[in-house]
Amino acid sequence: EAQVTQNPRYLITVTGKKLTVTCSQNMNHEYMSWYRQDPGLGLRQIYYSMNVEVTDKGDVPEGYKVSRKEKRNFPLILESPSPNQTSLYFCASTKRGTGLSGANVLTFGAGSRLTVL
Amino acid sequence: GDSVTQMEGPVTLSEEAFLTINCTYTATGYPSLFWYVQYPGEGLQLLLKATKADDKGSNKGFEATYRKETTSFHLEKGSVQVSDSAVYFCALSVPRTGNQFYFGTGTSLTVIP
Repeated sequence: EAQVTQNPRYLITVTGKKLTVTCSQNMNHEYMSWYRQDPGLGLRQIYYSMNVEVTDKGDVPEGYKVSRKEKRNFPLILESPSPNQTSLYFCASTKRGTGLSGANVLTFGAGSRLTVL
Repeated sequence: GDSVTQMEGPVTLSEEAFLTINCTYTATGYPSLFWYVQYPGEGLQLLLKATKADDKGSNKGFEATYRKETTSFHLEKGSVQVSDSAVYFCALSVPRTGNQFYFGTGTSLTVIP
């Protein structure tokens, strides 16, 4: 089944304890992206990647890191989490192009709910 | 820059009522337009899309028409059901070398029996 898989789905951690949220897709998509969803603020982009070894900042990158060493994986790293990073996180991917079936339609993971105490 | 503005919620309707959620956009180039839906406890999933002016996207009784002259992509459904209760996001995609996806802030819909 074509999907984006995020782990963990739920995590409670403490301030300053490094954590990684993994994201993996099995559709050979070039584009991958991380979003956070907060009440009243909608969906805000953290980082995106156009392809392997190509990453760039979104709207709210502070406090986060990403890497794209393989096409299928795009982990989100919180080096020193703080309570304001408590949020619902989504990973998404798509193939890029014009005129291709399914191109530019994002497939989302199920979400990772993170609480930082 | 590119952006999407959608009607703020929350919206509460009775079952079988008519639904409209407004969405307008600003974009350089020729964007594709999307509506995504997020059911409680789930990720976003594509509801419908339109890739060029005057296209109408439709799915599950929902419709939206790409209006270039008014830069709009309003979501409509003639008769909502309780199962339509969800958060709806308008989005656009502009092919370019950098980031190309922009989302509205989402509109929460609750349908009561």
